[in-house]
Amino acid sequence: AQTVTQSQPEMSVQEAETVTLSCTYDTSENNYYLFWYKQPPSRQMILVIRQEAYKQQNATENRFSVNFQKAAKSFSLKISDSQLGDTAMYFCAFLDFTGNQFYFGTGTSLTVIP
Amino acid sequence: NAGVTQTPKFRILKIGQSMTLQCTQDMNHNYMYWYRQDPGMGLKLIYYSVGAGITDKGEVPNGYNVSRSTTEDFPLRLELAAPSQTSVYFCASRPLPTGPNGEQFFGPGTRLTVL
Repeated sequence: AQTVTQSQPEMSVQEAETVTLSCTYDTSENNYYLFWYKQPPSRQMILVIRQEAYKQQNATENRFSVNFQKAAKSFSLKISDSQLGDTAMYFCAFLDFTGNQFYFGTGTSLTVIP
Repeated sequence: NAGVTQTPKFRILKIGQSMTLQCTQDMNHNYMYWYRQDPGMGLKLIYYSVGAGITDKGEVPNGYNVSRSTTEDFPLRLELAAPSQTSVYFCASRPLPTGPNGEQFFGPGTRLTVL
């Protein structure tokens, strides 16, 4: 089974600043997908960004970008110009390219301070 | 499209009672999933289905059963509720197993308490 590790249970950032959330994973696969999901207090799971392992270019979505280091099995999320609405739990997730199951990390609780 | 819907939103059960958590999606997705999320933890996969009539166990299937008689519905059954099953349950669906559509679409969750 794959494992996903998020070593930062809680983080905080000042509004308008930049913050980076860490994620590492363990797999013997060569092709796979990685995701960051956001879970605000409403509990709804919202996809933030995804990365295909076969793509060398880091994914970006507006203020959200990733630093994907395949050899190091690292997949960090950078949030630029943090906004109050970014306050949420953030989960890193792994999907095997040919598999059926997602594996989630334990999450990082991010608080944006006004 | 309503997306993924779950009922009920909240439920309190007594130990030993049974119940079914309902999940329906109207996006014609092949894949459907049931997860549980314990406080302060990530999501753990209970069961999943790759299409009508096909189901398989995830990481934490004990104490649960599922069925998939239609593409749209994927109910989760708790036969003998135990306090360890107190959790928030999420249903999700996905259109394809691979490719850019690897994204899952989640329902709003069901908060279950077993006393």
